[in-house]
Amino acid sequence: GENVEQHPSTLSVQEGDSAVIKCTYSDSASNYFPWYKQELGKRPQLIIDIRSNVGEKKDQRIAVTLNKTAKHFSLHITETQPEDSAVYFCAASEGGGNKLTFGTGTQLKVEL
Amino acid sequence: DAGITQSPRHKVTETGTPVTLRCHQTENHRYMYWYRQDPGHGLRLIHYSYGVKDTDKGEVSDGYSVSRSKTEDFLLTLESATSSQTSVYFCAISEKGHGYEQYFGPGTRLTVT
Repeated sequence: GENVEQHPSTLSVQEGDSAVIKCTYSDSASNYFPWYKQELGKRPQLIIDIRSNVGEKKDQRIAVTLNKTAKHFSLHITETQPEDSAVYFCAASEGGGNKLTFGTGTQLKVEL
Repeated sequence: DAGITQSPRHKVTETGTPVTLRCHQTENHRYMYWYRQDPGHGLRLIHYSYGVKDTDKGEVSDGYSVSRSKTEDFLLTLESATSSQTSVYFCAISEKGHGYEQYFGPGTRLTVT
């Protein structure tokens, strides 16, 4: 089955800096890659997603890039703010529209 | 937030007792999921449903069963709770299935003593 690895497990940045979180996947047939943000004690919330027919997608300060050849995708957050502090999860859907497999999460801390 | 509720939100139970968690949605979505979240493991799929009375196993289904008798309700049952099932359980819904957006409920924190 699909295996998703996520790095780093923790990331600390200064307010205003950029943050990058990277994930790799194993199933070359995977075609859907969402990112979730989870604040402490809250539910995971979908913040952005990308499909395998697109290389990059942006939504204001966040962007996701996908490299199908290398089987990795990344979340980019620019001009970080304290409210960006949370755990971020990547996920990949196995080929054929099958189950989502999640990475183990990245704790992002934005320091003032 | 999508119209998803979970009950109870917190529960403490003893080893060996049965436990049922409920997920209720008002979005009329076809697909519903149960995940567990543990430190260092992210979110792992327990079971999912692709319609009324249609369910299938996820990657960590041992010790769990599910039922879906109505579109809006998806029940997760621990037949005989064990300490290893102490976790936070999230329900999720999707209109189109695995390869599309999933929206999560608020979660249930279960402690098995």
